[in-house]
Amino acid sequence: SQKIEQNSEALNIQEGKTATLTCNYTNYSPAYLQWYRQDPGRGPVFLLLIRENEKEKRKERLKVTFDTTLKQSLFHITASQPADSATYLCALDDYGGSQGNLIFGKGTKLSVKP
Amino acid sequence: DGGITQSPKYLFRKEGQNVTLSCEQNLNHDAMYWYRQDPGQGLRLIYYSQIVNDFQKGDIAEGYSVSREKKESFPLTVTSAQKNPTAFYLCASSRGEAPIDSNQPQHFGDGTRLSIL
Repeated sequence: SQKIEQNSEALNIQEGKTATLTCNYTNYSPAYLQWYRQDPGRGPVFLLLIRENEKEKRKERLKVTFDTTLKQSLFHITASQPADSATYLCALDDYGGSQGNLIFGKGTKLSVKP
Repeated sequence: DGGITQSPKYLFRKEGQNVTLSCEQNLNHDAMYWYRQDPGQGLRLIYYSQIVNDFQKGDIAEGYSVSREKKESFPLTVTSAQKNPTAFYLCASSRGEAPIDSNQPQHFGDGTRLSIL
């Protein structure tokens, strides 16, 4: 089945810089890839979805890229703020598992320092 | 506001006891899911339901049971057969009928944290 790796458990950056988070998958290329934000003690909140035929998707200060050759998605937050501090999860479909349900990475905990 | 409500926020289970976690949504979504989240691990799928009166096992269904008698409700029972129930449990929903469309984002509740007494 599909495996996802978010290769940084934690990322610390300075306010105003661009945060870049990485999501790699190991098997087939998914049709869609999603990114979520999770705050401590809360459920994940959907941020962006990108399709396999899209190279890039933007929403305000957020940008997601999807490279099926590298089997990788990058998630960027520009002009980062302390309020962006959270854990960010990537998720994609798992046709090898439970009938196309999402499988989630372990997440990257982002800390933005003032 | 539409959303998903999970209750209780904290729950304690005694040895040999079954406990039920509540999940209600008013988003008119067809699909509902239960996940378990442990420290340092990704979300793992326990059960999912695409339509009322139907549900399927996920990757870690052993020791759990569910029902889907109403579109809005998808309660999860953690049975005494689940030997390591301490975790953060998340319920989610999404639009779309079978097969589940991974194009649809999932909407999550704020979870129930279950601990053993």
